Amino acid sequence: NAGVTQTPKFRVLKTGQSMTLLCAQDMNHEYMYWYRQDPGMGLRLIHYSVGEGTTAKGEVPDGYNVSRLKKQNFLLGLESAAPSQTSVYFCASSYDYYEQYFGPGTRLTVT
Amino acid sequence: DAKTTQPNSMESNEEEPVHLPCNHSTISGTDYIHWYRQLPSQGPEYVIHGLTSNVNNRMASLAIAEDRKSSTLILHRATLRDAAVYYCILRGGKTGNQFYFGTGTSLTVIP
Repeated sequence: NAGVTQTPKFRVLKTGQSMTLLCAQDMNHEYMYWYRQDPGMGLRLIHYSVGEGTTAKGEVPDGYNVSRLKKQNFLLGLESAAPSQTSVYFCASSYDYYEQYFGPGTRLTVT
Repeated sequence: DAKTTQPNSMESNEEEPVHLPCNHSTISGTDYIHWYRQLPSQGPEYVIHGLTSNVNNRMASLAIAEDRKSSTLILHRATLRDAAVYYCILRGGKTGNQFYFGTGTSLTVIP
């Protein structure tokens, strides 16, 4: 099992550009999450999904959109990137509410 | 918000027990207490969770105060691989599906 994978690992964007981060899990988990982590900070929840075709807002959803068209994939989109979105993005999945499995992260820089 | 308070940093000698404290005075009756840890340049990793009773697993023990306003993560014999940031998180009740990570405790293990 690959667990949770994230694509890409690194990305540099210019202000105003758009991009999509892909999260994939092969554990048949219902729940998936997107977090961001700024330097010296804990993780903050952006959006999450409790099943295929569902999404919900987390703590810091502004400037991001998500889609869960397939159970194994959770996409995070930035329509118009801003320097404030420079961060490390982590995806996670879980079978239930308790144990989340995290991916290796995507380091995004917006200049 | 159901938030937690942890010391910013702690040190421990290798092969000695470590007690990582967490205060959560605003915890509600249905909040679970979760602990995750994050090794450098990696995504967080589940450690343990509990509701009211003390819990043990292969990684650690979780001691929960009788009034549930505080808890302690116990690593029985610290190793160099245990050096990480440890997050105490509440989930459920007021927070629903969401995890609030906070800034955690950075544990240094001294050889």
